[in-house]
Amino acid sequence: QQPVQSPQAVILREGEDAVINCSSSKALYSVHWYRQKHGEAPVFLMILLKGGEQKGHDKISASFNEKKQQSSLYLTASQLSYSGTYFCGTELDDTDKLIFGTGTRLQVFP
Amino acid sequence: DSGVTQTPKHLITATGQRVTLRCSPRSGDLSVYWYQQSLDQGLQFLIHYYNGEERAKGNILERFSAQQFPDLHSELNLSSLELGDSALYFCASSVDANYYNEQFFGPGTRLTVL
Repeated sequence: QQPVQSPQAVILREGEDAVINCSSSKALYSVHWYRQKHGEAPVFLMILLKGGEQKGHDKISASFNEKKQQSSLYLTASQLSYSGTYFCGTELDDTDKLIFGTGTRLQVFP
Repeated sequence: DSGVTQTPKHLITATGQRVTLRCSPRSGDLSVYWYQQSLDQGLQFLIHYYNGEERAKGNILERFSAQQFPDLHSELNLSSLELGDSALYFCASSVDANYYNEQFFGPGTRLTVL
């Protein structure tokens, strides 16, 4: 049931773009994205709901392909502050819990 | 600062012992979630409480139990500790029971079992 994230790690220069993918083998009700900096707690980025409703903030965007049970997180013109591990969390239609993927480590260098 | 507090910050104990981790949610939040994070497992959902009642369980071991009290704080009890229980334990809170609400994570309790 754990969603699969790809890639496992990304190394960028400031200003470059990145895409992080999250895939599930089951139908999804929602996809959540969180970022965790080293030694800190995860911080909410965005929620995407079945049916197209999207919530979020900051300059990071995401998409949710319900047919493919996939979500992608888009980081454009990356900044040093984007460094951290990105987790997607998925909620299935018939469950009542949020299951997180194994994470994608993103490092942005000057 | 998310507004979620967890105590203690660090806990070092021996195998076979029992410990209690405490979490206070943000003011006004009714839901509390517990997660375990170890190096090779990512964030593992343990259990969710809403307004004092258990809502959902993840792969929580039988040696682990939790409860949410009338003042909405929650405690996670870990007993018969094993080396493999060493991990960072996070609590998160949200305003209600719906999963499409943002979860606010506390700073975590780092448990080391020797």
